[in-house]
Amino acid sequence: EVQLLGSGGGLVQPGGSLRLSCAASGLTFSNYAMSWVRQAPGKGLEWVSAISGSGGRTDYADSVKGRFTISRDNSKNTLYLQMNSLRAEDTAVYYCANQKDSSGTFDNWGQGTLVTVSS
Amino acid sequence: EIVLTQSPATLSFSPGERATLSCRAGQSVSIYVTWYQQKPGQAPRLLIYDASNRATGIPARFSGSGSGTDFTLTISSLEPEDFAVYYCQQRSNWPLTFGGGTRVEIK
Repeated sequence: EVQLLGSGGGLVQPGGSLRLSCAASGLTFSNYAMSWVRQAPGKGLEWVSAISGSGGRTDYADSVKGRFTISRDNSKNTLYLQMNSLRAEDTAVYYCANQKDSSGTFDNWGQGTLVTVSS
Repeated sequence: EIVLTQSPATLSFSPGERATLSCRAGQSVSIYVTWYQQKPGQAPRLLIYDASNRATGIPARFSGSGSGTDFTLTISSLEPEDFAVYYCQQRSNWPLTFGGGTRVEIK
């Protein structure tokens, strides 16, 4: 059974930084592209960032480009999202998800970790 | 960016009824539409990928159809556990985008 366990969320002031982690098990982690998807309170889903299985390719939504950095450590089966210059509009539950056959379909999802940006 | 429109935002049904949900793309996405189900306080769950392929473990009452710009998710006979929010998503072009969701509620 695939399990994705997200962590690292919390309360941070505007302009601050936070690093999210997603520990994966039950799959050959390096074989899968991974993504972060977020959901603001009471709102819909927004794709944030993706990374290839090797980590050699990354993509970002325009809303986070230049502020967020996605990375992975395949030796630790862990995905990361470094979030800098946080804004109130970044407040959301952040989900990690693996991409089915490394396509843009999200196969398995983590439980989500809440990031709140507020003073 | 490809915009996906799901309307209406809310649909009301009684258990046992047939539900048909719509997703329209602002430009052709071929067959590359995925459907997810989300219940309150839970992560989304993959239902249908590439327009019509059921994901592993998804009951046969869920089916998807469409190509180009118009897509449909059909639930043939609603079970109590099917009342939830449903999102479509396209993977034809980056950035990946989602529709705004349709809530299926109990009438």
